[in-house]
This record gives sequence, structure tokens and C-alpha cells, in this order.
Amino acid sequence: AQSVTQLGSHVSVSEGALVLLRCNYSSSVPPYLFWYVQYPNQGLQLLLKYTTGATLVKGINGFEAEFKKSETSFHLTKPSAHMSDAAEYFCAVNTGFQKLVFGTGTRLLVSP
Amino acid sequence: NAGVMQNPRHLVRRRGQEARLRCSPMKGHSHVYWYRQLPEEGLKFMVYLQKENIIDESGMPKERFSAEFPKEGPSILRIQQVVRGDSAAYFCASSRYGAVGTEAFFGQGTRLTVV
Repeated sequence: AQSVTQLGSHVSVSEGALVLLRCNYSSSVPPYLFWYVQYPNQGLQLLLKYTTGATLVKGINGFEAEFKKSETSFHLTKPSAHMSDAAEYFCAVNTGFQKLVFGTGTRLLVSP
Repeated sequence: NAGVMQNPRHLVRRRGQEARLRCSPMKGHSHVYWYRQLPEEGLKFMVYLQKENIIDESGMPKERFSAEFPKEGPSILRIQQVVRGDSAAYFCASSRYGAVGTEAFFGQGTRLTVV
């Protein structure tokens, strides 16, 4: 069965610093991978997704992620954190079924 | 173009009562998914529906939970005889197509509290 592991339930960065949120997946077939962001008391918003093709995917708000098959990873990065990036981030995988399997989430804290 | 609409946003029920959660998908979307988010956890898939059909309910508890998506009107997630452990945020998502990798748009969720 497919699964997603997000390392670090909390990540703290300073404003302007690099953001790196880690995601590893397990799948027996080529995966479709997603990153979602959730602001307090809100629903999930899609940041970016990987289906096929280019392994470096650019999303909204300056985020990007790279699919590395050999490492079964799909880490999310942003060169320079902004205060408004503080939120919870979820990695998810979809591997041939209609449902998404989510990781447990990483809460990003951004300090001034 | 309104997004996925869920109501109510907050719902308080006493143990043993019924909870009805409603979800109106985005215009043109005929695929609906329900997820549950327990405190400090990620979202867990519950059920996938198309108009008038349940496609995959592998994540639904066997008892007390049911879902429907009628030809007309919103999708309904129904929880009978609620217990404290049902307290969670319930999210609905919709998509235009059912193909793998299709983007699903999420509503703002219904936060159920059982007292």
C-alpha cells in the first residue's frame, strides 16, 4: 500500500531563510505527488503537483518541489521564507486510485 | 465561480445525536471525496462518490457512517449516534474528472464537536 512520511512535525525558520519540508513516499507504481497548504481553520489549497514529465515542479507562492525517484522523495522548498508562509503543509500521494494518501503534516513557523 | 462549499462550518452534537454534513462541489464537478482530519493528524480518506453512486467507501467506518451524492443537491455525510471519538474536521473535495492525478479542490471543512 502507498504511504507518505513527512519528517519533522514542526519546522522553524527565520524570515528570509530557506524553507525545506521533507516528504518521502512509498509506492509500487509511479506515483502522482501533491503538496497542499492549510491555514488555520481553512481547507487545503494545492501548492503544486507532480504527475509526469519534468521532475522539478514549480507551484504557487514561490514554492517548488523535486521528484527524486531514486530517493522516493518529493521535498518542498522555497528560497526565502515570508511571514505569510506560516501554515501547515501536507504531502500526498495518489497511485492509481481515486483517493489521496496524506502525510501527517509539517507545521512551518516563521519568525521575524 | 464559487469553490467547494461546506456547511455548517461548525457543528456541536451531544453523544447519541445525528450529525449531517453537507458539501456542494464546484460547478461542473461530479466527483466528490470526503476526508476526516483528527487533531494533530493528516487527512484520512473516507469515501469517493459520483452522482448517485458510491465508488469507493474503503475508508468509511462500518457502522454509523453513511454518505450520498444525489442527482440533485449536495453530497451528505451522515453520522448516526455520534460519540466523542467522532470529533474531528471533515473535509469535502471535488474534481471535474475522476482520472488519477486530477486536482481535487477542498472545502473549508466542517468541525464537528461531540459533547
